[in-house]
Amino acid sequence: KNQVEQSPQSLIILEGKNCTLQCNYTVSPFSNLRWYKQDTGRGPVSLTIMTFSENTKSNGRYTATLDADTKQSSLHITASQLSDSASYICVVRAYYGGSQGNLIFGKGTKLSVKP
Amino acid sequence: EAGVVQSPRYKIIEKKQPVAFWCNPISGHNTLYWYRQNLGQGPELLIRYENEEAVDDSQLPKDRFSAERLKGVDSTLKIQPAELGDSAVYLCASSYPSGSTNEQFFGPGTRLTVL
Repeated sequence: KNQVEQSPQSLIILEGKNCTLQCNYTVSPFSNLRWYKQDTGRGPVSLTIMTFSENTKSNGRYTATLDADTKQSSLHITASQLSDSASYICVVRAYYGGSQGNLIFGKGTKLSVKP
Repeated sequence: EAGVVQSPRYKIIEKKQPVAFWCNPISGHNTLYWYRQNLGQGPELLIRYENEEAVDDSQLPKDRFSAERLKGVDSTLKIQPAELGDSAVYLCASSYPSGSTNEQFFGPGTRLTVL
């Protein structure tokens, strides 16, 4: 069964600190992996999209890594800001013989950045 | 550029009542998605449209849920009758149709509470 597991479920850090969120998936065959940020009461917003051949991708203070062999990804946030408080969702897309599968969403990690 | 527009933002109804949600996708986006997001969970796809055709409605509970996308632009999702377990956030997203990495843009969602 295609699944996306994220850890930790929730995280509290102090403003200015770094943090790393983890994502493990069993989706196969793999097409691409995305990280979304979802603010409370808003829809998810894409941060990064990585295909099989990409190991790392950055978007400002956000850096995502992908290890397609171990089926793991991480999202590293540098110098956190209060506005980083949100849920971060790992999303994986499968590829089925010429057609793209639907997105499979993890449950998200709820990050709280405290002053 | 305007994003995905959804209305209403919040809806409270009693069980067994009907309810409808409306979505206006980003101009030029042929593909439209309806997702349901339960509290603390990732979004789950209900239905995907390519223009006015529903190409994937396998996860739509067809006994009580229906959707339409007349003229291939705006879309309406309806629940009749609503049940307590339908309380969730209903998200609409849109994208260009081609490419494995095509980004989905989400609306703010409609938060439904069934009493």
